[in-house]
Amino acid sequence: DQQVKQNSPSLSVQEGRISILNCDYTNSMFDYFLWYKKYPAEGPTFLISISSIKDKNEDGRFTVFLNKSAKHLSLHIVPSQPGDSAVYFCAASHSGGGADGLTFGKGTHLIIQP
Amino acid sequence: ETGVTQSPTHLIKTRGQQVTLRCSSQSGHNTVSWYQQALGQGPQFIFQYYREEENGRGNFPPRFSGLQFPNYSSELNVNALELDDSALYLCASSSKAARGANVLTFGAGSRLTVL
Repeated sequence: DQQVKQNSPSLSVQEGRISILNCDYTNSMFDYFLWYKKYPAEGPTFLISISSIKDKNEDGRFTVFLNKSAKHLSLHIVPSQPGDSAVYFCAASHSGGGADGLTFGKGTHLIIQP
Repeated sequence: ETGVTQSPTHLIKTRGQQVTLRCSSQSGHNTVSWYQQALGQGPQFIFQYYREEENGRGNFPPRFSGLQFPNYSSELNVNALELDDSALYLCASSSKAARGANVLTFGAGSRLTVL
């Protein structure tokens, strides 16, 4: 059973436009959510996170929105740039200190078209 | 500040063999976690080590074991390799004392192929 789901395996967006990546979760115990970006032959790199006590967190071009009632979060990238082309993983945790690890989705491959 | 380094980067084993993967944590981090990423899947939590002891474990059998050393480096050992163990193994470090302790710094991974 997948507790974190990213239903879009890939997403193509034009440079300069907004990219919206979606993530759904089923475990109501999750209280911390993260987005990681992964380039080929590299490890995942932390992008942005949000605690369940918030519904929005911004960092530059990246904004994460959390809808707890819908168990849904999304990552917005505005404007999209060619360097944003990568696989994006949504991850969730319910242990605060991380002892239970992060639960990842399968990822969404974002392709920024020039 | 050095990041997380893993070795070897690639290796090939045969079914039934044993493998040891190594990881050096990022400077200042005291916790290390290991994840398995199969093809087309997201990383899956294997276990976490803190103060040289296993601090949490995912749904992996006992033939997956680990060690953390006083310098916070770590090893992942897998015994009796099976074909399904073929995957990218990711090591991640973090600081338990820091706010946002879930923010992990990942290495580039060790790609294991079991034939």
